[in-house]
Amino acid sequence: GESVGLHLPTLSVQEGDNSIINCAYSNSASDYFIWYKQESGKGPQFIIDIRSNMDKRQGQRVTVLLNKTVKHLSLQIAATQPGDSAVYFCAENTGDNYGQNFVFGPGTRLSVLP
Amino acid sequence: DAGVTQSPTHLIKTRGQQVTLRCSPKSGHDTVSWYQQALGQGPQFIFQYYEEEERQRGNFPDRFSGHQFPNYSSELNVNALLLGDSALYLCASQRRGANYGYTFGSGTRLTVV
Repeated sequence: GESVGLHLPTLSVQEGDNSIINCAYSNSASDYFIWYKQESGKGPQFIIDIRSNMDKRQGQRVTVLLNKTVKHLSLQIAATQPGDSAVYFCAENTGDNYGQNFVFGPGTRLSVLP
Repeated sequence: DAGVTQSPTHLIKTRGQQVTLRCSPKSGHDTVSWYQQALGQGPQFIFQYYEEEERQRGNFPDRFSGHQFPNYSSELNVNALLLGDSALYLCASQRRGANYGYTFGSGTRLTVV
């Protein structure tokens, strides 16, 4: 079945360093992907998205890379800050014309060390 | 502008009971989706409502049902609660046809004892 998974369940980085969080997806027909950030006690928060006709998209301090050949996504966070500590999920849209339906991976916990 | 609001924030129920969770979507949004998030896992899609009808459904038993009202708010009902139903239940909203992802609420933490 369709699935989205993450290579690293936990990641610890020094404050100021760059972070890279990886994600593998299985449905080659998926055309839209999102990275969400979830802090303790809160719902997932949209970070950045990318469509399958792109291989890179940049936001403020974040970049998402999409490699359709190997069905791989990554989230790069530049100059990681303590406020970036959270669980990060990649999500793959498997919905139809009626609406989006996102399949989430298990998540990666990012810990920023002082 | 209020985002997605869910109530209650926390709930404790006994096995076998029934529970109703509520969600008000973000202003301007008409599509509501419900997700179940077990501890330490990613959210799992339950179902999606639009125009007061269930449009898509994930792999959840019939014990999970829902409703959407004319004002786009929604309810999630779970009957015959099991211990395994303990989870964070997330509501997400979107404007139909929008080419961007959901806005999530903070969720309802359900504990079944």
